[in-house]
Amino acid sequence: SYVLTQPPSVSVAPGQTARLSCGGDNIGNRAVHWYQQRPGQAPVLVVSYNTDRPSRIPERFSGSNSGNSATLTISRVEAGDEADYYCQVWDSRTDDYVFGPGTKVSVL
Amino acid sequence: EVHLVESGGGRVQPGESLRLSCGDPEFSVSSNYMNWVRQAPGKGLEWVSSIYVGGGTYYRDSVRGRFTISRDISENTLYLQMHSLRPEDTAVYYCVGGDSSSYFEHWGQGTLVTVSA
Repeated sequence: SYVLTQPPSVSVAPGQTARLSCGGDNIGNRAVHWYQQRPGQAPVLVVSYNTDRPSRIPERFSGSNSGNSATLTISRVEAGDEADYYCQVWDSRTDDYVFGPGTKVSVL
Repeated sequence: EVHLVESGGGRVQPGESLRLSCGDPEFSVSSNYMNWVRQAPGKGLEWVSSIYVGGGTYYRDSVRGRFTISRDISENTLYLQMHSLRPEDTAVYYCVGGDSSSYFEHWGQGTLVTVSA
């Protein structure tokens, strides 16, 4: 089935920008969705269809997708952004929903 | 705000069965795409099963034939019947629903299933 890759961890200082990658073969041709999971909590959808942000999600969160990599960008990082972030696609060939392994964002 | 609540988790021995339930009185399980996603302790997210608005059901390979997803429209409840449970099925099981078949919008808080001798 389709495989997604994510760096295990990213560290960023408060106020700076975090860029989280999600790699996959021609992932630019797929719809990528992103989830934030704070410690001990359920995941929350933060970006759908590569760039769409649910109304309750701050504008600091944005997404892009092209070629073999999709990116979730978190601008003006805050302590509350410390969480695991997962990308996800749907593999139409196998009717599977595929998650990436996740990236742990640490705010210094 | 959608507030899906799961129940039915617990500790069972390998080979035993368990049924999970999920619902929110204000959220229709028949008018939305409903799913189960699990997370093993300390691990990432893993899709388990989905039931579409039209009634079609889908499963990941490792649970197909052992798990059954269903919904009771009169009770507005989503179920996951799990048979022949294995230690590798140990996880928090999240009920997730939404108006898209592509992504997972509204998540419950999860229920823990532990399969151990």
